[in-house]
Amino acid sequence: QVQLVESGGGLVEPGGSLRLSCAASGFTFSDYYMTWIRQAPGKGLEWISNIHNSGKTIYYADSVGGRFTVSRDNAKNSLYLQMNSLRVEDTAVYYCARMDLVGARFDNWGQGILVTVSS
Amino acid sequence: QSALTQPASVSGSPGQSITISCTGASSDVGGYNLVSWFQQYPGKAPKLMIYEVNKRPSGISDRFSGSKSGNSASLTISGLQAEDEADYYCCSYAGNRNYVFGTGTKVNVL
Repeated sequence: QVQLVESGGGLVEPGGSLRLSCAASGFTFSDYYMTWIRQAPGKGLEWISNIHNSGKTIYYADSVGGRFTVSRDNAKNSLYLQMNSLRVEDTAVYYCARMDLVGARFDNWGQGILVTVSS
Repeated sequence: QSALTQPASVSGSPGQSITISCTGASSDVGGYNLVSWFQQYPGKAPKLMIYEVNKRPSGISDRFSGSKSGNSASLTISGLQAEDEADYYCCSYAGNRNYVFGTGTKVNVL
């Protein structure tokens, strides 16, 4: 079955950097767009980025553009989120999700990983 | 991109039907038939319940149904059950490969 497992979260100071990983299994990773979505504590969901199957085209929400970089390694079935210049407001649970272009649906999600930005 | 507007909470008794609204704009909900709904239990990842306004993924109960009119979409849960108590989020395609989520609705089963 489809499995997505995030890793790399933790506590970082404002202005710092962190790299999240998402290991995928149970499907042909290179056939799918992948997505990062986050959820601040007690708040709603926020879409932050999509990356094309090939990794050549990436879309970002305005809130993270220029600070966050998404990439993927199809040979390793892995998705990455490089977060730079982190702010307190970036504190959230970060989810990776598979995106099926049929219906533009986020049909499988990881369990999420907590990133805390605090001094 | 502003979040789609949902009521903070909706309540119902077991067996009843409830409807959750999701209001956006012509640039998102009204412009595309690409509205999804997600169910989320505390501390858990969201789960896709509805996509393309009214389609259910395999394994999702037919008690869940979706619709859209103009710039608003709705999720209806029929035959409300205790296990339906959760947070629900709508999500819409917003053009230029961007997506926007709703503010979220807590469903309480009385």
